[in-house]
Amino acid sequence: EAQVTQNPRYLITVTGKKLTVTCSQNMNHEYMSWYRQDPGLGLRQIYYSMNVEVTDKGDVPEGYKVSRKEKRNFPLILESPSPNQTSLYFCASSQRGRGNTIYFGEGSWLTVV
Amino acid sequence: AQTVTQSQPEMSVQEAETVTLSCTYDTSESDYYLFWYKQPPSRQMILVIRQEAYKQQNATENRFSVNFQKAAKSFSLKISDSQLGDAAMYFCAYRSEITDKLIFGTGTRLQVFP
Repeated sequence: EAQVTQNPRYLITVTGKKLTVTCSQNMNHEYMSWYRQDPGLGLRQIYYSMNVEVTDKGDVPEGYKVSRKEKRNFPLILESPSPNQTSLYFCASSQRGRGNTIYFGEGSWLTVV
Repeated sequence: AQTVTQSQPEMSVQEAETVTLSCTYDTSESDYYLFWYKQPPSRQMILVIRQEAYKQQNATENRFSVNFQKAAKSFSLKISDSQLGDAAMYFCAYRSEITDKLIFGTGTRLQVFP
């Protein structure tokens, strides 16, 4: 079954404690991306990757890091989380090409206190 | 830079009636894709319908159809015969031909009343 898997799904953490949200897809997709969803703001792109070792900033990259060492994995790293990073995070993947279906993970609820 | 605007934060419709959700976008690209996604309370992102910019024919998927006006940069979603299960947040999205980036609007929350 085609899927994008994110972990953890729910996390409460404290300010400054580094955390990683993992994302894995089983469809051999080149394109992967991270979004955050906040009330009234829709989904905003954090980082994206066109292929292994190729990553670029989205609209709201501050405070986040990513890496793409393998095609299937695209972890999101919060080196020093702050309360303004409390949000719902989505990982997404697709084949390159604008019409291709974009698959989303189930979302990760992150609360930073 | 491309932008997507959904000017209706909330809409409501009675069961079995028809409702139209509005979306406008801005771009200088000539070819692109437009999407509507549904997000129910589970927060799952579900693709409702897609439209390629160079196709003049409006896309339809069962009870869901779009009114795509390329010159006006408008992409509205019509839901016919509304059902209780249609209640959700709906996001309009644009995918860039250059970066593959998917850009979302701020969403419209649809309520369906029996």
